[in-house]
Amino acid sequence: DADVTQTPRNRITKTGKRIMLECSQTKGHDRMYWYRQDPGLGLRLIYYSFDVKDINKGEISDGYSVSRQAQAKFSLSLESAIPNQTALYFCATSERGTVNTGELFFGEGSRLTVL
Amino acid sequence: AQSVTQLGSHVSVSEGALVLLRCNYSSSVPPYLFWYVQYPNQGLQLLLKYTTGATLVKGINGFEAEFKKSETSFHLTKPSAHMSDAAEYFCAVIHSGGYQKVTFGTGTKLQVIP
Repeated sequence: DADVTQTPRNRITKTGKRIMLECSQTKGHDRMYWYRQDPGLGLRLIYYSFDVKDINKGEISDGYSVSRQAQAKFSLSLESAIPNQTALYFCATSERGTVNTGELFFGEGSRLTVL
Repeated sequence: AQSVTQLGSHVSVSEGALVLLRCNYSSSVPPYLFWYVQYPNQGLQLLLKYTTGATLVKGINGFEAEFKKSETSFHLTKPSAHMSDAAEYFCAVIHSGGYQKVTFGTGTKLQVIP
């Protein structure tokens, strides 16, 4: 089984619908992240959490919210999906410390299409 | 602020040829630098990293990169390309000084021609 698991892997939805992407990890890492990947733009950080009680906005948090239910679980919600949120979403984890924070472990991605 | 620039969104090489993927960084403090690889339909995985010490770092699958402070570069190389190297490669930077978030480049897609 994968160390970082994302569900669903693919989702097609309509404008205005609420969507939740879930991430769970078995690596025992404190830090978890949600990134969005768009062609030509690389990866952009949406939200990150350094522990269960610490949640921070990334560079593109508008239109998104997150919940850290446990050390191992970090979910991303789109309260009212819009077409420009169509993208590939990645969850990632890391250990504490600056160098370790750069060593990210990624899930396989959740492809979201908003019609 | 920290940033990385990857020159060339697409690079094509022949099988057996040298692979050179370029990355330049901007950082006001000593950086830690990383290369990640993304194979089709997969998440990213770490290829190699530079933190301190030896400026030539070796990674998985025969890749290596050299940190050149004077040129603010961290280019990725492999002497001989294999078909299995076809993927997208991302350079990333994090400050050593406590700004503990990673910034990724926009990626370079490597095509290997038989």
